This record gives sequence, C-alpha cells and structure tokens, in this order.
Amino acid sequence: EDQVTQSPEALRLQEGESSSLNCSYTVSGLRGLFWYRQDPGKGPEFLFTLYSAGEEKEKERLKATLTKKESFLHITAPKPEDSATYLCAVRGGSGTYKYIFGTGTRLKVLA
Amino acid sequence: DTAVSQTPKYLVTQMGNDKSIKCEQNLGHDTMYWYKQDSKKFLKIMFSYNNKELIINETVPNRFSPKSPDKAHLNLHINSLELGDSAVYFCATLGGGETQYFGPGTRLLVL
Repeated sequence: EDQVTQSPEALRLQEGESSSLNCSYTVSGLRGLFWYRQDPGKGPEFLFTLYSAGEEKEKERLKATLTKKESFLHITAPKPEDSATYLCAVRGGSGTYKYIFGTGTRLKVLA
Repeated sequence: DTAVSQTPKYLVTQMGNDKSIKCEQNLGHDTMYWYKQDSKKFLKIMFSYNNKELIINETVPNRFSPKSPDKAHLNLHINSLELGDSAVYFCATLGGGETQYFGPGTRLLVL
C-alpha cells in the first residue's frame, strides 16, 4: 500500500535559521511527488511537483528535491510568514489520479 | 472570484441527521475530489469525479454519497451522521501540471 511519512511533525525555527523537512514515501511506481502549504483554517495551496529522482524546484526561500525514497523541502532563511503546515503527497502507478498525503510538518518561524 | 467554493463553511449537527456539503468551481477543470482531513491534519481522499463520472471511490461508508450534477459542481451528502464524521471536508479540482486547487473547507462537527 502506498504510504507517505513526514518528519518532523513540528518544527520551530528562529527567523533566518535554515532547515529541511522530510517526506519519505513507499509507492509502487512513483508518478509524481507534490508539496503543498496549508495555513490555519484554509485549504492546502500548491507549491511544487517533482517527477523524477534528482529533480529540484525552487520558489523564493523554498527548494524541493527528490530521491528514489524521499523528498526534502529546504527552507532558507525563513521568515515568520513561512509559518504553516507543509504537506507532501504522492501519486503512484495505479493508473488513476489518486493522491496519498502525509500528515504534514507544522512549521513555526519565530521573529 | 473564488476558484473553488464550498458551502457551508461550518456545520454543527446532531448524530443521526443527514446533511449535504456543496462545492462549486469556476476553473473549468474536469476532475474534482472530496477529501477528509481529521484532527491530526491527515488528508485522505474519499471520491474523485471526472466530467461527472465517478472514477475514485475509496473505502468510505455507504452513508457518504457524492453527486456531480454538472462539471462545475460536486456535492457530498452524508446520511445518519456519526461522531467520527467530525472533520474538515475539502473539495479540490485538478488543473494543469497536476496542481490541485482546494476549497476553503467545511468544518463538520457532529454532537
């Protein structure tokens, strides 16, 4: 069964303190790995799609990378507005557009 | 203009009641989803429709019945509500690049 595990569950950083969030996955035939950001009381908002090992995507202070077993979301010099829950999802080779989400990492960036 | 909207935003009801949640999108996307997010932030797929046709039906109790009257709408009807149904329900659409666009969520509390 396809599975996604995210770590840590929660992370507190000082403003400017860079770190990485991890997303480990077990999926038969990875078709894509996706990162979303979710603010309290809102729906998830799309960040990145990664399709193959070695691929990297960047957006402002965020950089997502992918290996054959896991993905990292690197946050460089975070700001308080980066505080949110970051969700990782995968799509396997079932032939349908079915997405399996992890439970997320709650990030708090302190000023 | 809200891309994906849901009504109601909050729903408080008694056990045993029947309720419906509505979702509307103005993005012109063919594929729509219902997700359930529990108190631990775990986002789980329930159903997916493509152009009014049900294509993903996860292991969800028969008390949950989705309905898509047209491509822009996907509703969720829940019969005989139980305490365990309390959660946030998100509607989403699938756009280009496998980007999912989520609605703001419907917070359901069953007493």
